[in-house]
Amino acid sequence: NAGVTQTPKFRILKIGQSMTLQCTQDMNHNYMYWYRQDPGMGLKLIYYSVGAGITDKGEVPNGYNVSRSTTEDFPLRLELAAPSQTSVYFCASSYGGRRSSSYEQYFGPGTRLTVT
Amino acid sequence: AQSVAQPEDQVNVAEGNPLTVKCTYSVSGNPYLFWYVQYPNRGLQFLLKYITGDNLVKGSYGFEAEFNKSQTSFHLKKPSALVSDSALYFCAVSRGNSGGYQKVTFGTGTKLQVIP
Repeated sequence: NAGVTQTPKFRILKIGQSMTLQCTQDMNHNYMYWYRQDPGMGLKLIYYSVGAGITDKGEVPNGYNVSRSTTEDFPLRLELAAPSQTSVYFCASSYGGRRSSSYEQYFGPGTRLTVT
Repeated sequence: AQSVAQPEDQVNVAEGNPLTVKCTYSVSGNPYLFWYVQYPNRGLQFLLKYITGDNLVKGSYGFEAEFNKSQTSFHLKKPSALVSDSALYFCAVSRGNSGGYQKVTFGTGTKLQVIP
């Protein structure tokens, strides 16, 4: 099992450019998440999905979009990149079902994004 | 609203000494509590969790944590620290449930430095 994989590992964007961060998991988890991590701020949830075709906003969704067409893939789209989106982005997945919040999350290695 | 507090930004401990990383939480109803570890330039890795049952939970790499309901705490402990334990540690809480998505709130992290 590869677990959760993310591409790219690093990216530099100019203000106003767009990009898609890719995330794939091979554990057949139905829950998937996107977080951003800023120094000293912990993790902030951007979007989450409880299954293919179902997505919802987290704490900080502005400037981002997601889709979930398959169980395995959960790409994050940045439109019109801004310096405030400079961060490290993590994708995660977990089992979901009865007592879904009792299950731990599995994280990808992250994408370090700089917007200049 | 649920929350997690990790009161220490950094904890320094000598190799071989016991370590404690503190976590307190606030959530309505029964809590599900988690500890994750993050090594440099890596994603978070699950260490252990409390769902129900015995208040002392044992996890990976010799770590354990004690759930204290009256003090709303879930401190991470290890009897003898290793230099390789040096990393960033996150506590997380969600509300116990019987189904459906429940928000997970992460603390801001505590950097553990084990001194040789």
